[in-house]
Amino acid sequence: GDSVTQMEGPVTLSEEAFLTINCTYTATGYPSLFWYVQYPGEGLQLLLKATKADDKGSNKGFEATYRKETTSFHLEKGSVQVSDSAVYFCALTSNTGGFKTIFGAGTRLFVKA
Amino acid sequence: GAVVSQHPSWVICKSGTSVKIECRSLDFQATTMFWYRQFPKQSLMLMATSNEGSKATYEQGVEKDKFLINHASLTLSTLTVTSAHPEDSSFYICSASGAGGSRNEQFFGPGTRLTVL
Repeated sequence: GDSVTQMEGPVTLSEEAFLTINCTYTATGYPSLFWYVQYPGEGLQLLLKATKADDKGSNKGFEATYRKETTSFHLEKGSVQVSDSAVYFCALTSNTGGFKTIFGAGTRLFVKA
Repeated sequence: GAVVSQHPSWVICKSGTSVKIECRSLDFQATTMFWYRQFPKQSLMLMATSNEGSKATYEQGVEKDKFLINHASLTLSTLTVTSAHPEDSSFYICSASGAGGSRNEQFFGPGTRLTVL
């Protein structure tokens, strides 16, 4: 079945450091890929998405490129801030799976001032 | 953007009682709503998928008689945890899709934290 694997956390960075959170997937068909962010005690917010190969999603300085050849959707940000501290979930929705969304395990990011 | 609300945002109840959680799509018609459960520091686990006007489809291992889901309208779905026990304590999150004809994007509610004493 479809699955999402993302790097284990926690990831601890200093402010202004470069961030990469790896995400790979397995899916039948042509899934859409998402990154969600969850701040403490809150629900999920869509951070960015890509719906087809080679698409780049971007938002708030974060970006990720849909790489079909490597089945990856790595999240990057050039300069993190303390306010970016949160849990990040990589996810996919496949049109062959009844449009269910499959989530990765989540990666907790701590950014130190 | 599409907004989904949940009510209540948190609830504390005694063991053996039932709790109802509402999920509403505020500015779009949600043809499909999803209910997730999230344990502390873990990912979201899909519990069930509900389509307006039809019975919910439950994921394997989820007790349909314990977690009653009703999707009576295009803007409202409810999850009732019947005879709640402490092990049902969790963060319950709903999501809805169908905004603007986009079936593969879900909009999430803020979540409901349930604590069963």
